[in-house]
This record gives sequence, structure tokens and C-alpha cells, in this order.
Amino acid sequence: DADVTQTPRNRITKTGKRIMLECSQTKGHDRMYWYRQDPGLGLRLIYYSFDVKDINKGEISDGYSVSRQAQAKFSLSLESAIPNQTALYFCATSETTGAGNTIYFGEGSWLTVV
Amino acid sequence: GENVEQHPSTLSVQEGDSAVIKCTYSDSASNYFPWYKQELGKRPQLIIDIRSNVGEKKDQRIAVTLNKTAKHFSLHITETQPEDSAVYFCAANGAAGSNYQLIWGAGTKLIIKP
Repeated sequence: DADVTQTPRNRITKTGKRIMLECSQTKGHDRMYWYRQDPGLGLRLIYYSFDVKDINKGEISDGYSVSRQAQAKFSLSLESAIPNQTALYFCATSETTGAGNTIYFGEGSWLTVV
Repeated sequence: GENVEQHPSTLSVQEGDSAVIKCTYSDSASNYFPWYKQELGKRPQLIIDIRSNVGEKKDQRIAVTLNKTAKHFSLHITETQPEDSAVYFCAANGAAGSNYQLIWGAGTKLIIKP
């Protein structure tokens, strides 16, 4: 299922560098999300967007920024990467929010900050 | 805000036996409880969900039960098979102030022993 596509899939970057993770979707969903996955901590929401003009912080937004360039595109930026931002990042989409709302994840982007 | 705790963090069962994963939540207003399965190297995918007006839901070998009074819900997998080996995440929808975003458990690694 390539409906939610993330690039790059793997990236190693140095501390202090700026890195952007890109996400595009063909599902036609308005809602898009960026999650971070760390072992033993589950999935934590970084930012989410209900439409191009609506961006919301999640539970761990510090050190991250996002841009919703179009309904189908949602990018995540680390302005100055630090080692504890090493993680697996997932972009996701959903049709609506709330009960019964299925979230569709991308394939994930492994980011290593050295 | 909503908090979701998931236990155990790792569960090892003999092939053919049953597996049970439990989650507790804190916000009595939560009304939607999905379970996602993440196979090794893959993205999380929805396997079953339940809403607060239902006490149990089944889909072939998997079932989810909900106890609203005690604020806990469980995933039951019967006749486990090797392909059930994965990490399972529970979630609950948060409050209006968080735009009803899902709050995730930390995950359970299920290992099926041959």
C-alpha cells in the first residue's frame, strides 16, 4: 500500500544540521499527522494538520516544525538536529477525527543523528 | 489529559495458545479504542476497534473487550499462529481539547514460540 509515501526512508545526519522529511498521500484525506516511534514509548504525536491552513502541535512538538504545502503534502523539519531525535518517524493520514477514525501510516523514515 | 497504559511490554506464548494484552485509560470521556499491529519493519495497521457503546467485538481469531466502569480494554488472540508475532498498540481517543487525537499505549511485543 503506497498511498502514504515518505522520503527519505533512511537518513543519517550530523548534530546541528537541518533535515526535512517529506510525506505525500493519494488517499484524498484532509487530516495528516507526524508521529515519532521510540522503543518502549509507543507512538507519540509531533504535529497534525486538518487542512492546509490548520496546523496543530502534538505532545512532543519542541524541536520540530511542519509545513502543509498542499492537501496531499505534509513535511516535517528538524531545524537543528540533536542525537535524541534519532527515531523512526511516521507520517499518517485519516479521513476524519474521532471515533471510528482509521489512521493510515506511511512506511516510516529512519532518522539517525550522530 | 488522557493517559493509556499497556501491559505486558513483552508476551511470549506457545503457538496455538491464546494471548491477551491489556490497556487502561484515564479519561472516562474516551469512546473509541483501536488496536494496531506492527509487523517487524512494517507500518502499524488497524486490526480491530471498539466503541464505548459495545462491550465486545470479534473478528475471526481476534476479539476486543471493553470495561467502561474499570476503564480498561483488552485484545484477545486465540489459536495463535507465527504470523501473529508483532508489536501491538492500543489507543484511546483524547478529549475535545486535543481535537480527539489518539493517545497510544507503549506497545506489546508478542512472540509466538513454535
